[in-house]
Amino acid sequence: GNSVTQMEGPVTLSEEAFLTINCTYTATGYPSLFWYVQYPGEGLQLLLKATKADDKGSNKGFEATYRKETTSFHLEKGSVQVSDSAVYFCALLRGGSEKLVFGKGTKLTVNP
Amino acid sequence: DSGVTQTPKHLITATGQRVTLRCSPRSGDLSVYWYQQSLDQGLQFLIQYYNGEERAKGNILERFSAQQFPDLHSELNLSSLELGDSALYFCASSLSGASENEQFFGPGTRLTVL
Repeated sequence: GNSVTQMEGPVTLSEEAFLTINCTYTATGYPSLFWYVQYPGEGLQLLLKATKADDKGSNKGFEATYRKETTSFHLEKGSVQVSDSAVYFCALLRGGSEKLVFGKGTKLTVNP
Repeated sequence: DSGVTQTPKHLITATGQRVTLRCSPRSGDLSVYWYQQSLDQGLQFLIQYYNGEERAKGNILERFSAQQFPDLHSELNLSSLELGDSALYFCASSLSGASENEQFFGPGTRLTVL
């Protein structure tokens, strides 16, 4: 079946540190891949997405590249801020399906 | 603000009871999705409606049901509640339900079953 595995948290960083949150997937066909962010007390917001191999999604300084050969979609940011503290979810959407499949989420805390 | 509204924000009830969660999609969106977020299961897709019709079903228990009304708002009904049903329930909406359309999430309803 389709599944997403992302690194266990929580992750604690200092401001301006480099962030990587690993995400790998298992899926039939060619899924679209997403990163969602959930700030405290809020719903999920789409952070970035990629719909085919080698696509790079980017938004707000975050980037992730769709790597078909390693079935990965790791999230990176060069310099995190306190305001980036949130829970990050990797997700996939298999072609022809509307069901988002989520990883378990990684909680990021950025300290000043 | 995603434009998706959910009521109530919090709900506390007892085992065996029945509750109804309500979702209003973004203006113009025809498709509504329900997700459950719990500590042990993570975020799971429950069910999707498109323009009033059920489109896809996920890990939804038989005690749960949903519907989408002509004005496109949706309700998720949870009955014979158990302690394990305590979770955050999210509604999302999208334009047409096609896989390329972004899903916009509401703020969620936190259900606590005592």
